[in-house]
Amino acid sequence: QSVLTQPPSVSGAPGQRVTISCTGSSSNIGAGYDVHWYQQFPGTAPKLLIHGNKNRPSGVPDRFSGSKSGTSASLAISGLQAEDEADYYCQSYDSSLNGSVFGGGTKLTVL
Amino acid sequence: QVLLVESGGGLVKPGGSLRVSCAASEFTFSDHYMSWIRQAPGKGLEWVSYISSSSTFTNYASSVKGRFTISRDNAKNSLYLQMNSLTAEDTAVYYCASGSGSGSFHYWGQGTLVTVSS
Repeated sequence: QSVLTQPPSVSGAPGQRVTISCTGSSSNIGAGYDVHWYQQFPGTAPKLLIHGNKNRPSGVPDRFSGSKSGTSASLAISGLQAEDEADYYCQSYDSSLNGSVFGGGTKLTVL
Repeated sequence: QVLLVESGGGLVKPGGSLRVSCAASEFTFSDHYMSWIRQAPGKGLEWVSYISSSSTFTNYASSVKGRFTISRDNAKNSLYLQMNSLTAEDTAVYYCASGSGSGSFHYWGQGTLVTVSS
């Protein structure tokens, strides 16, 4: 069981907006540690999508946005495209574990 | 373009040892904390270990503490993970990545598969 909780799957039609939640606790997200998001296609390495809760690395479309509040964070994808179909992971730091923690991952299906 | 290339994965028997490596290029390796992250088949990501830029600090996930050792050679732009007393639960793709886990993991290698089986 992952320290950060994500829904196993979400889906949406092309053009729609979907959100993926990431729920933590007072020792990680709630303690003020940043949340980061990764996109992973089958058989490939994860790619950094959002860092520092809401910042996009160069080259990431502005359709992807992140937010954080309290002990949770969210990734929003607007204008959904077929090529967005992938697994998405949130990540933060946990002070009680003294290490990085990941969510269990969310599989996005574009209908 | 930053390139991280892992090597050294393979099939090892339970109780055995293996060392995986990560070679960095087009990247100021010696300036960065580095980590190992693994992914069991069909499962999610699990942070394994990090090492500071000058090797002063290291940390490990509880699942590998006492069995795995992370190290680096800045002169060779290389990161290593020595894995001992391996069990089937250690079967995974092992990725090297830049960062320590208190921040984000910005650059990732393509991964190397370690399979522990008799």
